[in-house]
Amino acid sequence: SQTIHQWPATLVQPVGSPLSLECTVEGTSNPNLYWYRQAAGRGLQLLFYSVGIGQISSEVPQNLSASRPQDRQFILSSKKLLLSDSGFYLCAWSTTGLYGYTFGSGTRLTVV
Amino acid sequence: GQQVMQIPQYQHVQEGEDFTTYCNSSTTLSNIQWYKQRPGGHPVFLIQLVKSGEVKKQKRLTFQFGEAKKNSSLHITATQTTDVGTYFCAGPRGNTPLVFGKGTRLSVIA
Repeated sequence: SQTIHQWPATLVQPVGSPLSLECTVEGTSNPNLYWYRQAAGRGLQLLFYSVGIGQISSEVPQNLSASRPQDRQFILSSKKLLLSDSGFYLCAWSTTGLYGYTFGSGTRLTVV
Repeated sequence: GQQVMQIPQYQHVQEGEDFTTYCNSSTTLSNIQWYKQRPGGHPVFLIQLVKSGEVKKQKRLTFQFGEAKKNSSLHITATQTTDVGTYFCAGPRGNTPLVFGKGTRLSVIA
């Protein structure tokens, strides 16, 4: 069966520090991968998505970046965090022809 | 760009009462999906509707897709405390990823 792993679960980082969040999927090949951000009590904002290794589409211009170094690995990064980067970061995967997205358990990031 | 609007933003009900959340898109959708996010958790896929006028049921949950494929609703009959959470609708934007509504947060008072 397919599983998605996302870590860490919580993170507190100072303003200006770097960020690296990792997401891996198991049990499927060539998944579509997504990074969403959810501000407290708000909806889901799409940040990046990828349909293949090395391919990244950005939805929102900001100080975040994403990379897909392997088929089932998706990384969200920042060189210098801002206070406004705080939120709940969710990785998700889907496969063409299958219904629905499967989300990871998320990372709660607090920038202080 | 395409927007998916959801109402109400919040709903408080007594246990046993019914609940409905509505979703409206500015454009015609090829399909619409519904997700549930429990407090402190992550969104979990509930269902996908594809056909105009489609109605699907999952136990006490009834999902409808409008005839024009621009709106949808989720109705819960006789809510229980286990129904607490935020319900999101989402639709694809062409071949690009899902656009999510802002969700309806349901509270159930026992």
